[in-house]
Amino acid sequence: NAGVTQTPKFQVLKTGQSMTLQCAQDMNHNSMYWYRQDPGMGLRLIYYSASEGTTDKGEVPNGYNVSRLNKREFSLRLESAAPSQTSVYFCASRDRGGVYNEQFFGPGTRLTVL
Amino acid sequence: DQQVKQNSPSLSVQEGRISILNCDYTNSMFDYFLWYKKYPAEGPTFLISISSIKDKNEDGRFTVFLNKSAKHLSLHIVPSQPGDSAVYFCAAPGRYGGSQGNLIFGKGTKLSVKP
Repeated sequence: NAGVTQTPKFQVLKTGQSMTLQCAQDMNHNSMYWYRQDPGMGLRLIYYSASEGTTDKGEVPNGYNVSRLNKREFSLRLESAAPSQTSVYFCASRDRGGVYNEQFFGPGTRLTVL
Repeated sequence: DQQVKQNSPSLSVQEGRISILNCDYTNSMFDYFLWYKKYPAEGPTFLISISSIKDKNEDGRFTVFLNKSAKHLSLHIVPSQPGDSAVYFCAAPGRYGGSQGNLIFGKGTKLSVKP
């Protein structure tokens, strides 16, 4: 049981390049999320998927697109990377049930855009 | 507008003593709060939660206290151990996605426990 996995762990891009960050969870969770964390900041929501087949914008969606490929996988795409997108990206998931919105996080992808 | 605030970027305590991490919030409608712990190069991991109808929740060495009138919560770690050295985030329900929605995180407090 690997939990939430993310690939790659590190990536360096040049301005204007594109890339896709991959996320997969093996806990049969319905909801999945993409956050970014910048130095001295808390995590901020980029996009989320409440269930397979649905995606919605979060607090900071500009410059990103997502795909909920199936129940396990939720990818984040940067079409034209900008230096402002240099950040650490975390994917998370949670089950539908439960009183509290306890989310399980992957190890993160550290992205640098030059 | 930061709804969840952790005003202390760092805290250093001696092993065996108590660590107290603080969190303030502005939205009186939050119905629960969570604490996460994060080690370097890892994702945050859930630590403990508290419902807004309670004023205390305890789990082993970790206790969270909630003071609704002051819109303040604190995480107590007793006794502190070197392995507790990490960044601690306070979190509350966000406004995206309703019950399936996001969490709002504070900026975090880096705890260092010295042997």
